Amino acid sequence: DTEVTQTPKHLVMGMTNKKSLKCEQHMGHRAMYWYKQKAKKPPELMFVYSYEKLSINESVPSRFSPECPNSSLLNLHLHALQPEDSALYLCASSQPGGPAYNEQFFGPGTRLTVL
Amino acid sequence: SQQGEEDPQALSIQEGENATMNCSYKTSINNLQWYRQNSGRGLVHLILIRSNEREKHSGRLRVTLDTSKKSSSLLITASRAADTASYFCATASIPGTYKYIFGTGTRLKVLA
Repeated sequence: DTEVTQTPKHLVMGMTNKKSLKCEQHMGHRAMYWYKQKAKKPPELMFVYSYEKLSINESVPSRFSPECPNSSLLNLHLHALQPEDSALYLCASSQPGGPAYNEQFFGPGTRLTVL
Repeated sequence: SQQGEEDPQALSIQEGENATMNCSYKTSINNLQWYRQNSGRGLVHLILIRSNEREKHSGRLRVTLDTSKKSSSLLITASRAADTASYFCATASIPGTYKYIFGTGTRLKVLA
């Protein structure tokens, strides 16, 4: 199984809502990533988990809260978002050691719209 | 910004023609990878080339790497309408940092 799955595919939320994005992989990867991508731009790294511990936080606002409950799951909890947070949110995973040695496998993304 | 640059930003060709896109980066690297992204979807890994390799092939794809010029090119031969997508290069520098630096992307349109 070389697939990263993400749910939901689309999400529309108001600025006062709380929602969560979910990512799952069963490739045995111990590094998992969240990216944000705006239209016609490359993905921007948000968070990296390595062996279920937060390894990188790219100065992301606290209204985004990541969680890695086990080696297969990665969540992104959303609260009090702003309209400018509307974007495609991508999850990825890789073998330990990161992209310097290994490819990243990306999920199909969640299209988030904040009203 | 450490972001890589890609050119052209957009490319439109006829089916059957070859498409070439270029990537330049700023730091020394361990490897360089190319990804394809269909409209609004996830990224699909195409090919990885290590810093000690100069050329790599995969099906209709040919990637070259020139570390002295800090540049790479992706050639798609005999293009098909299904190749229409955005293509990104991504570089990884320091082992263990888990950070990719993505290029700005090339939007390829293949006309049937």
